[in-house]
Amino acid sequence: GQQLNQSPQSMFIQEGEDVSMNCTSSSIFNTWLWYKQEPGEGPVLLIALYKAGELTSNGRLTAQFGITRKDSFLNISASIPSDVGIYFCAGIRNGNKLVFGAGTILRVKS
Amino acid sequence: KAGVTQTPRYLIKTRGQQVTLSCSPISGHRSVSWYQQTPGQGLQFLFEYFSETQRNKGNFPGRFSGRQFSNSRSEMNVSTLELGDSALYLCASRDRVNTDTQYFGPGTRLTVL
Repeated sequence: GQQLNQSPQSMFIQEGEDVSMNCTSSSIFNTWLWYKQEPGEGPVLLIALYKAGELTSNGRLTAQFGITRKDSFLNISASIPSDVGIYFCAGIRNGNKLVFGAGTILRVKS
Repeated sequence: KAGVTQTPRYLIKTRGQQVTLSCSPISGHRSVSWYQQTPGQGLQFLFEYFSETQRNKGNFPGRFSGRQFSNSRSEMNVSTLELGDSALYLCASRDRVNTDTQYFGPGTRLTVL
């Protein structure tokens, strides 16, 4: 089962709004990754975070690696219809196995 | 570069049968990982192969097995299929074992009837 708590489970927002989602864990992770998955496709990597406190942007997306190494968040600014999809956080401890959150379903009203 | 490819994209089997799924990683990538995605359990790690050797294994029964060939292509086999094995099976590749950036294929949708 899941070891990462991802919230919210789903969001239905107005186009142009900002979006925020996060992942927490009771365990420490060395790397945090954020993926987006669209129907019928595999997850696509959005942002990778490697150091505690790191803040990284990719266009309208910004993600942070929590200082405690037990959490991460993803923000999407000025959402557009093509942002629709399922967003997953994933953490890596030792051994390079990815542990995924349950996903946040994002829907955008235009 | 071409992305990760998986074949077949869709598969329907019946209980008790076995199935083999194939994954071709991005050219030059030597590590291939397999994941199972279901609505109830989400994305779960199955195993990882690097240079034809299994490096990591998730918590799945022995009915799930895999292998990797010298050209880095990988296959996953599930024997004695159960209804609960219905899932999207995803393969991901990366260029070195210690690089965390994994690139996923589109997956194989397996339905067990």
